[in-house]
Amino acid sequence: EDQVTQSPEALRLQEGESSSLNCSYTVSGLRGLFWYRQDPGKGPEFLFTLYSAGEEKEKERLKATLTKKESFLHITAPKPEDSATYLCAVKAEGYKLSFGAGTTVTVRA
Amino acid sequence: DTGVSQDPRHKITKRGQNVTFRCDPISEHNRLYWYRQTLGQGPEFLTYFQNEAQLEKSRLLSDRFSAERPKGSFSTLEIQRTEQGDSAMYLCASSLFANTEAFFGQGTRLTVV
Repeated sequence: EDQVTQSPEALRLQEGESSSLNCSYTVSGLRGLFWYRQDPGKGPEFLFTLYSAGEEKEKERLKATLTKKESFLHITAPKPEDSATYLCAVKAEGYKLSFGAGTTVTVRA
Repeated sequence: DTGVSQDPRHKITKRGQNVTFRCDPISEHNRLYWYRQTLGQGPEFLTYFQNEAQLEKSRLLSDRFSAERPKGSFSTLEIQRTEQGDSAMYLCASSLFANTEAFFGQGTRLTVV
C-alpha cells in the first residue's frame, strides 16, 4: 500500500519568512510525485510534477525538489496569498493518486 | 473555460435519498477520476475511467455507489440510500496521459442530514 506522510500539519509564517514543507513517501515503483495547492472549499490546483530523484521545478515563490524517499516544497519570501493547504500525491502502479493529508500554511502580513 | 466542471457545487440531502453528481472533464482528456475528501484529509481515490471503460474501483466504493461515463465524455457518480458518513467533498479530475498531472474540478460538497 502506497504511503504518503506530510509534515508539519500546519505552518504559520510571517510574510517574507521562508520555509519548507516535507512529503515522505513509500511506494513500489514511483511513476510521479505531484504537488497541489488547495484553497478552502475548492478543488486542488496543480503546481508541479516530479518524476526522478534530483529533479527540481520552480514557479514564482515555490520550488519543489525530489529525492528517492521524500520531496520538499520550499516557499521563498511568502506572501499572504500563499496561504493555503499544500497537498503531495504519488502515483505508482495502477491509475490512482495517493495523497498525503496536507500542510496548511498561514502567512501573516 | 476549459477546466474540469462539476455540478452541483453543493448538495444537501436527507438520509436515505439518492443523489447524482455530474463531471465534465477537460475535452481532450480521456482519463477521468473520482475522489472523495473529508475535512482535514487528502483526497481518497474512488474510481477511474479510461474513455467509457471503468478500469479501477476502490474498496471505498460500496455497492451504494455507482459511476458511469457512457460516451467517454462526461461522467456521473450516484450514491443510493445516502448515509451521514457519505458527507464529504466529491472531486472529479481528468488527465491526458496515465502518469501526467490530473486537473481537478471545484468539487461537489455533499451534506447528508
